[in-house]
Amino acid sequence: AQKVTQAQTEISVVEKEDVTLDCVYETRDTTYYLFWYKQPPSGELVFLIRRNSFDEQNEISGRYSWNFQKSTSSFNFTITASQVVDSAVYFCALSGPSGTYKYIFGTGTRLKVLA
Amino acid sequence: GAVVSQHPSWVICKSGTSVKIECRSLDFQATTMFWYRQFPKQSLMLMATSNEGSKATYEQGVEKDKFLINHASLTLSTLTVTSAHPEDSSFYICSADRYQEYEQYFGPGTRLTVT
Repeated sequence: AQKVTQAQTEISVVEKEDVTLDCVYETRDTTYYLFWYKQPPSGELVFLIRRNSFDEQNEISGRYSWNFQKSTSSFNFTITASQVVDSAVYFCALSGPSGTYKYIFGTGTRLKVLA
Repeated sequence: GAVVSQHPSWVICKSGTSVKIECRSLDFQATTMFWYRQFPKQSLMLMATSNEGSKATYEQGVEKDKFLINHASLTLSTLTVTSAHPEDSSFYICSADRYQEYEQYFGPGTRLTVT
C-alpha cells in the first residue's frame, strides 16, 4: 500500500530562519512520482515540485530546496530565509501505478512564519 | 498551460437543496478528472475519479447517490451535491490530468456552506 507521512503537524519559525518540512513515503512501485504543494489561506493548491523516482538529484529553486533520498524514502523540503508569505499548509503527495496514479496526500504541515 | 477552473468559487445553499459545481480544463483535454473534499485543517480526501463518457469511480465511503459526478466532455466535469445537509459543508477541489503525464492540475476550489 502507498502511504505518505508528514509527521510535523505545525511548525512556527521566526522570519529569516531556515525550516525543513519532512515527508516520508511508502510504496512498492519502482516508478513513482513525488510532489509538494503549498496551500495558502485562500485554499488554492500551488504546485511546487514534481520528482520522479529515477531522479535523485536535489533541486533548488530560489529559497526552496528539496532533498530526495530513496534510501530513506524521504523527500524533504527546505525553505531558506523564511518569509511571512511562506506561511501556509504544505502537502507532500505520492502517485504510482499500484495506486492507478491517484495522489496519496500526506496530512500536511502548517508553517507559520512570524515577523 | 494546464489551467483548471472551478465555478462557483463559493456557494451558500439551504439544507435539502442541490448544488452543482463545475470543473473545467481551460487549455488542455483532460484524460481524467478527480474530485476531492477538504475539511478545515485536514488533508485532501479523494472522493471520486471520472473519465469522459464513463461512470465515475467512487472511493470507499463516498455516497454515489449523494455526490453525482458527470464527465460530459474532455474539458468539463460536474459534481452535484444532492439534498445537501450542513455536514456537506466543505471545500471541494477538482483536478485534471493529461494523458500519461501522471500529474494533476488543480482547480482553485469551491467553498460550500449549507445552512
